[in-house]
Order: sequence, then C-alpha cells, then structure tokens
Amino acid sequence: QSALTQPASVSGSPGQSITISCTGTSSDVGGYNYVSWYQQHPGKAPKLMIYDVSHRPSGVSNRFSGSKSGSTASLTISGLQAEDEADYYCSSYTSSNTRVFGTGTKVTVL
Amino acid sequence: QVQLVESGGGVVQPGGSLRLSCAASGFSFSNYGMHWVRQAPGKGLEWVAFIEYDAITKHYADSVKGRFTISRDNSKNTLSLQMNSLRPEDTAVYYCAKDGHCTSNSCYPHHFDYWGQGALLTVSS
Repeated sequence: QSALTQPASVSGSPGQSITISCTGTSSDVGGYNYVSWYQQHPGKAPKLMIYDVSHRPSGVSNRFSGSKSGSTASLTISGLQAEDEADYYCSSYTSSNTRVFGTGTKVTVL
Repeated sequence: QVQLVESGGGVVQPGGSLRLSCAASGFSFSNYGMHWVRQAPGKGLEWVAFIEYDAITKHYADSVKGRFTISRDNSKNTLSLQMNSLRPEDTAVYYCAKDGHCTSNSCYPHHFDYWGQGALLTVSS
C-alpha cells in the first residue's frame, strides 16, 4: 500500500486560507468516505482534526474544513493563525481493510 | 477523559524482540478497535496494525506482517504489540490509537480518534 500523496509544504500569512491536497486511488480515498486529517506539532502526538471527509470532532475550530473529489481529498484552513503551524497528515481506510497515511505536509505561517 | 499510555519501549539489537503495551482508560475499551501507528525519526506516520474490539479480526501492514503480533486483553484494558525479528528500519515512536467513536445514535469507525504519547523503539547494535 503506497502512501497517499500530499504536498511537502504549504505556507500562508495570518488570516489567509490554505488548502492541503491528499491524492490516493480508487482503493482508498476514491472508494470510501473514510478520509481523516491529523495535526501534529513537533514532539507531540497527532490530533484528529477531520473525520469521514468533512466532519469536525467537538473542540476542533470551524476554521478547519474537509472535502473530497474523486480520489483527492482536501483540508482547508481558513483565517490562518500562528498556532496552525504544524505537520498535517491525511489518512484513509483501504479496500484491504488496512489504513494508509499521506506523506505529510508542513504548514508554515509566514 | 480518554487516556492511552504506551510503555515498553527501549533499545534492542537487530533480530531481537520487544513487547509494547498500551494502557487504556476513560472509555469502554472492549467496544472499540485499536491501532498501532509508528513514526520513524523525522519521518511521516505509518500505520502498523489494527485489532477489532473482540480480538478476532486483525490486520497488519505488509512491512511488519509475520513479525509483529497485535493483541488485547479486554479484562485489563490493555493493548499489546509483540515485535520479533526487529530491524533497524523498525526504529520509531510507536503510538497506540483508538479507532473511531460512538455517539448515542451512531458509531463512526475508521479514523484515529485518540492517540497515546508514544513509546520509542530503537533497533541498533
């Protein structure tokens, strides 16, 4: 199972919106609405930000939103804040009943 | 509140074995599937293994299949990962994670709902 493809880095100024893509195949992202997104600050455990493509867990800011088109999912962060600077990973359920992560994207707030 | 606490990490020689544990609290452990996920130093996340709530169904990444065994003891709220034939490329922080969540109306599986703080395994001679 190959990792899902994410851009290595994305940057934006405070207040701007950025979008991170996550590209898979029909056996994972394209085949199921089980895409999730995780935020990871240095030295910390990942934190769930989005599940089932577009659902936010309680306590996660509504500045974070998710979507999917075909085999590409996206995470959008609006009103970018300094605290959003972190690594972000997508993940998907797969047709083999396994899970696969994306390659990870480093978000920099300029 | 949900708590997952990993233990058992350390330094092991190539070819050696180690067992990781994850103590769960704050939720009904026996109702949820559980995962192990690892992260090599400076690298991304890699899913390792999953065990269903009843311990019957298990799935593994190809990279660890035949060498690692995931198990659970629902009476002790504990998840384990037995790692044999260890290789230097197994060096990573190992996280346990809870699979999905349930509300009063529905259950939503197939995401990593809560994570432990991680346990470091170093495979080196």
